[in-house]
This record gives sequence, structure tokens and C-alpha cells, in this order.
Amino acid sequence: QSVLTQPPSVSAAPGQKVAISCSGSSSNIGNNYVSWYQQLPGTAPKLLIYDNIKRPSGIPDRFSASKSGTSATLAISGLQTGDEADYYCGAWDTSLSAYVFGSGAKVTVL
Amino acid sequence: QLQLQESGPGLVKASETLSLSCAVSGDSITSTSYHWGWIRQPPGKGLEWIGSIYYTGSNYYNPSLKSRVTIFEDASKNQFSLKLISVTAADTAVYHCGRLPVRYTGTYHPGYFDSWGQGTLVKVSS
Repeated sequence: QSVLTQPPSVSAAPGQKVAISCSGSSSNIGNNYVSWYQQLPGTAPKLLIYDNIKRPSGIPDRFSASKSGTSATLAISGLQTGDEADYYCGAWDTSLSAYVFGSGAKVTVL
Repeated sequence: QLQLQESGPGLVKASETLSLSCAVSGDSITSTSYHWGWIRQPPGKGLEWIGSIYYTGSNYYNPSLKSRVTIFEDASKNQFSLKLISVTAADTAVYHCGRLPVRYTGTYHPGYFDSWGQGTLVKVSS
């Protein structure tokens, strides 16, 4: 059972926007930075967002993120078929002294 | 350009020890800016953090694996390694190594994974 909770799946039509939530606690999201990863089928995860809201170079601004209290959200706008993937949130957990991942959310483009 | 490459046996017998190495090029594992770590992903399941190491040799481990895991480094080869003892079928997974920038939120700790190796599948046989 994951320390960070995500919905199992989200879906939307091409061009639309989806939002993926990530719920945690004060020992992780509440007091540490959140990161987001995209994992396309059969590939290694890829960093999408770090330090709550920052995008690495090369990540389009269609991907954005926010954090409030003990929850975080990844938004994908202008949804494309190539965005179909699993998305994971992650954060350091101060109580566990460990890095924790969310359970993962599968994005389907209808 | 940073590259990480995992290597090791793809098949391990139950109760024995899983050993993997991660060769790093394009950066030094003695950098003060990064931790170096491992995650795994069982078939069809999510990501699980295993642990990490800093250039000082200090480690952080997943509490659920801590009794069985050791991560150590070889600066002369610019690589770090994972050892997992007493494996069972539940340890069958794709194992990835990665780089984690250091972050400070009261204490210094691994912040996130910014780069990964392609991963290697390790199967545990009975």
C-alpha cells in the first residue's frame, strides 16, 4: 500500500485537460518537495516536475503542477495520444527517512 | 551527457542474493550535489524506492527492505551497487538505478530522481 494516494485512472478526449491528484501527509507532501514522473509502456520513468512546480528542460508547458497543504496535483492540458502513460508522484518522507511514490495513475486518451 | 547502466544476473534463485551494479558516465558519484539510488517495479505494479547512497557513504533505505538491502559505491569505477539478500518471488522486478539531486527541508536528503538507467529485469526462481 502506497504512502501517497493517487486515483487509479483518469481519462479525457484529445485536446482536453486532465488532473491527477496525489494525497499524502505532513511528513511527506506537507513539508517536502513533490515530483512527478511519466512512464510510457515498457520504458523507464521520466521526470516531468520537480520541486513542486518546476519543469526540466524539454518538458512542454502543457504539463503543470501545484501543491496545497498535504496534496499535490499534476495537470495535463491539450491532451495528446502520446500522453497515454502511467503517472507517479513522489516525495521525501521525513518520518520514514525514505523516498515514497504514489500508487500511480493511468491516463487514457479517449 | 549523464548515462546510467545497470548490470547483473537476470535470474537469481530463491533464498540467494541479488547483486546489481550501476555504471555512471557523464558525472561523478562523488559529487556533493547528488545521491545515487535504486528503485524497482514488479511486473504490472508500481514503483518502489529501494534506497540511496551519498558520496560520504551514508545511506537511506526503504524501511520494508532495510534488513535485506545494502547499497555501496566504488568511486574508482564510478559505479554503485545493490545487494539484496534472501530473495523470494516477490523480489522479481525491473530494477532501475538513478540519480537524485540533494534537497534541504530541515535536513539534507535525496530530492527526486532526475535520471534513470534503462532498467534490468531480475527474476527469482524457485
